[in-house]
Amino acid sequence: GEDVEQSLFLSVREGDSSVINCTYTDSSSTYLYWYKQEPGAGLQLLTYIFSNMDMKQDQRLTVLLNKKDKHLSLRIADTQTGDSAIYFCAESQDGGFKTIFGAGTRLFVKA
Amino acid sequence: DAGVTQSPTHLIKTRGQQVTLRCSPKSGHDTVSWYQQALGQGPQFIFQYYEEEERQRGNFPDRFSGHQFPNYSSELNVNALLLGDSALYLCASSENSRNSPLHFGNGTRLTVT
Repeated sequence: GEDVEQSLFLSVREGDSSVINCTYTDSSSTYLYWYKQEPGAGLQLLTYIFSNMDMKQDQRLTVLLNKKDKHLSLRIADTQTGDSAIYFCAESQDGGFKTIFGAGTRLFVKA
Repeated sequence: DAGVTQSPTHLIKTRGQQVTLRCSPKSGHDTVSWYQQALGQGPQFIFQYYEEEERQRGNFPDRFSGHQFPNYSSELNVNALLLGDSALYLCASSENSRNSPLHFGNGTRLTVT
């Protein structure tokens, strides 16, 4: 199948770290992505990781990839109220010309 | 540098009607993908256009069709609308290379009554 699975909700306090998890199915996926969607807007690319990497860090964002378990995570350090949004995990399929998305994780940040 | 633009932003149609949605890709991009996002769901891949041809297609019926023009802009057409077609339709553009990240427009909200 081509399912990408994520937990639906996550609630954290401002200043804490957030960890959003994802599992994917296509072992041949070469790139995995994290997108952010705010209300009334399209999806914004946050970061992506190549499948031969275990970790990628970009300012407050850290992506961890466990290829054996097909598990991807996104850690947001020092989470702010402006980080409240829906976060989508996505994988490239079919030779990299098709991107498949999970259902999204809604992140709530409490002040 | 304009990003991906979509029109219209909102649309209300009646069951059985036909609709056309439009998309202009980000400057420098030649590939356009269309997604359907139902309320509370992730985007579902409809199809991708490159060089004015459909290159990839998701699990959508033939009622969903598209077109790409020489200037890389694209249209999504949906015939015989059903209530279940109500959704946010997202256009994304990318460069023509494998795994090129998608850049999304803000979408067209279609309501079918």
